Amino acid sequence: GQQVMQIPQYQHVQEGEDFTTYCNSSTTLSNIQWYKQRPGGHPVFLIQLVKSGEVKKQKRLTFQFGEAKKNSSLHITATQTTDVGTYFCAGNNAGNMLTFGGGTRLMVKP
Amino acid sequence: DGGITQSPKYLFRKEGQNVTLSCEQNLNHDAMYWYRQDPGQGLRLIYYSQIVNDFQKGDIAEGYSVSREKKESFPLTVTSAQKNPTAFYLCASSSGAPGTDTQYFGPGTRLTVL
Repeated sequence: GQQVMQIPQYQHVQEGEDFTTYCNSSTTLSNIQWYKQRPGGHPVFLIQLVKSGEVKKQKRLTFQFGEAKKNSSLHITATQTTDVGTYFCAGNNAGNMLTFGGGTRLMVKP
Repeated sequence: DGGITQSPKYLFRKEGQNVTLSCEQNLNHDAMYWYRQDPGQGLRLIYYSQIVNDFQKGDIAEGYSVSREKKESFPLTVTSAQKNPTAFYLCASSSGAPGTDTQYFGPGTRLTVL
C-alpha cells in the first residue's frame, strides 16, 4: 500500500533559525496536505498542494510539491516559539484515503 | 459555534471492557473519520464513513467498531478484542470526498486501559 515518510522525526532549532521538513511518498500523489499539531492538541489544516511543482507561501511558511508529485517540503523561515509542534504531511493517491506521514516534531529554543 | 466535539477528553477503562467514544459534528459534513495516534507517531486510519449508514474499514480496524446512524454522529467502540487500546483517538470530518478535501479534527480522546 501507499507509504508516506517524513524526515527528520525531530528537529531542535534556536529561535530565528530556519527549519525544513521533507515528505516522500512511495506512489505518485494526486494532492498533498499539511497539518500542524500543537503539543497536547489536535491536527489543524495548513494547506493543500495539487499541481506538479507548486509552491505556496503563508507568511514565513513555504510549501512545495515536487515535479513528480511524489515529494513535498515545508520550510519555515526564522522560526519563532509559536512554531513549536508536530508538522504532518498527508498524501492522497487518487481513489484512496489520505495517508499521513509520521510527522516532524519541531522544538524551538528561545 | 461550528465544529467537532469529542467526549470525554480523558477516559480510563479496565482491561476487557468495551468502551464507546463519542464524535459529533455540526459542520454538515458528509464524511467522517476515526484515527488512532500513539506517542510520537503519525495518524492511522481506523474507520471512515462517506455517508449515513455506510462505513469502511481503514488500515487498523481490527478490534474496533463504528456506526453512522445520523449525519452528525460517528461513535467508535473500542472492543476487548483490541489488544493495545491505550492511545489518543481523533475524530475528523470533511465535506468533500475522502482524501481530496480538508479534514477538520476534534480535540481527541485519550484512552487509557488499566
